[in-house]
Amino acid sequence: DSGVTQTPKHLITATGQRVTLRCSPRSGDLSVYWYQQSLDQGLQFLIQYYNGEERAKGNILERFSAQQFPDLHSELNLSSLELGDSALYFCASSARTREETQYFGPGTRLLVL
Amino acid sequence: DAKTTQPTSMDCAEGRAANLPCNHSTISGNEYVYWYRQIHSQGPQYIIHGLKNNETNEMASLIITEDRKSSTLILPHATLRDTAVYYCIVRPAGLSNTGNQFYFGTGTSLTVIP
Repeated sequence: DSGVTQTPKHLITATGQRVTLRCSPRSGDLSVYWYQQSLDQGLQFLIQYYNGEERAKGNILERFSAQQFPDLHSELNLSSLELGDSALYFCASSARTREETQYFGPGTRLLVL
Repeated sequence: DAKTTQPTSMDCAEGRAANLPCNHSTISGNEYVYWYRQIHSQGPQYIIHGLKNNETNEMASLIITEDRKSSTLILPHATLRDTAVYYCIVRPAGLSNTGNQFYFGTGTSLTVIP
């Protein structure tokens, strides 16, 4: 158990819909990262937040957005869903003094039908 | 972007040492070598990282060549639970204003055989 929690574990929805994925980082970790893992793209970095502020953006689509709240939990919003958005979405967190060690959550498996 | 080259797959007998190579010939002076692994569909797990000296922890050893252009991750006594995809990543250490994300490549799929 990494200490990072993600909900829900599984999500099935239809094309065109909007979903929200939630992540609670390890206690005290200020950084939250979102990654997407699909069969054809591998593990791709989406976005990082540090203490509530966006720190870095990766291959995140405009239809996707994220935020980190004052209590440090984070949400990833996916809208206008397409079949190709079906993937595992991982959240990770790291401590300020040990940022090389990212602790990954169990992931949310999203299936868009 | 992944700056490393790893074999696609490897097998290792249970109880033997697993030696996973990684080439990173364009590594910069301020970049560290990190290893993560991902057991099927689980979140990746940090293993070890190093700059130029060999490193060892409770999970593995990391051997970095003197020119830093390649490294080897060693699992001293592989078990069936070590079957996973192993990712070698190079990246600067330290908190960065431009982000601390990892760019995972395709990794090496290690299968430990009974």
